[in-house]
Amino acid sequence: AQSVTQPDIHITVSEGASLELRCNYSYGATPYLFWYVQSPGQGLQLLLKYFSGDTLVQGIKGFEAEFKRSQSSFNLRKPSVHWSDAAEYFCAVVPNQAGTALIFGKGTTLSVSS
Amino acid sequence: GAVVSQHPSRVICKSGTSVKIECRSLDFQATTMFWYRQFPKQSLMLMATSNEGSKATYEQGVEKDKFLINHASLTLSTLTVTSAHPEDSSFYICSAGGDRGEKLFFGSGTQLSVL
Repeated sequence: AQSVTQPDIHITVSEGASLELRCNYSYGATPYLFWYVQSPGQGLQLLLKYFSGDTLVQGIKGFEAEFKRSQSSFNLRKPSVHWSDAAEYFCAVVPNQAGTALIFGKGTTLSVSS
Repeated sequence: GAVVSQHPSRVICKSGTSVKIECRSLDFQATTMFWYRQFPKQSLMLMATSNEGSKATYEQGVEKDKFLINHASLTLSTLTVTSAHPEDSSFYICSAGGDRGEKLFFGSGTQLSVL
């Protein structure tokens, strides 16, 4: 079945440490890939997206993600986490069909410890 | 950049009443808008796809008579929760944009609490 999987429900990282949030998808063709961040009670903010081309994508707030076709993955990374990065992170895809809505993973809650 | 405006941001209503949520694209025309629902500490689940000038397409398990969607213009889609009950309490969020998410923008969401 087609799906988006975020294996980690909750991650705690020390401030200043590096971060990697995992995302795997299972679609026949390469979908469009997104990472969003959501603070409590807030809407979604787009961190970055991948459509084609360079598989390492730079986003806002110092985030980057790497698309690996062989692993069907699109993991989000940040070299040094700040306390303000604590939030819910969602990986999302648009399957290879025009006009189709985003399908979201279940999300990963990031906590940052001092 | 493009902005999607969603109102109200928060609404509290009594059980049995109807609530209308608006989603507007402020500086672009949105032929397609999407409505999502998010329960606490859960992911966003697509409820329906709203197409300007035609009927909305609902996802499996979503009651179209309860969640009325109207997309009468290229800049406005509305979601009406009819005869709301406490189990309808949730965070509703809309998105609008073009093909395959290339120009997809999200509203700020509406927190609905039904007493």
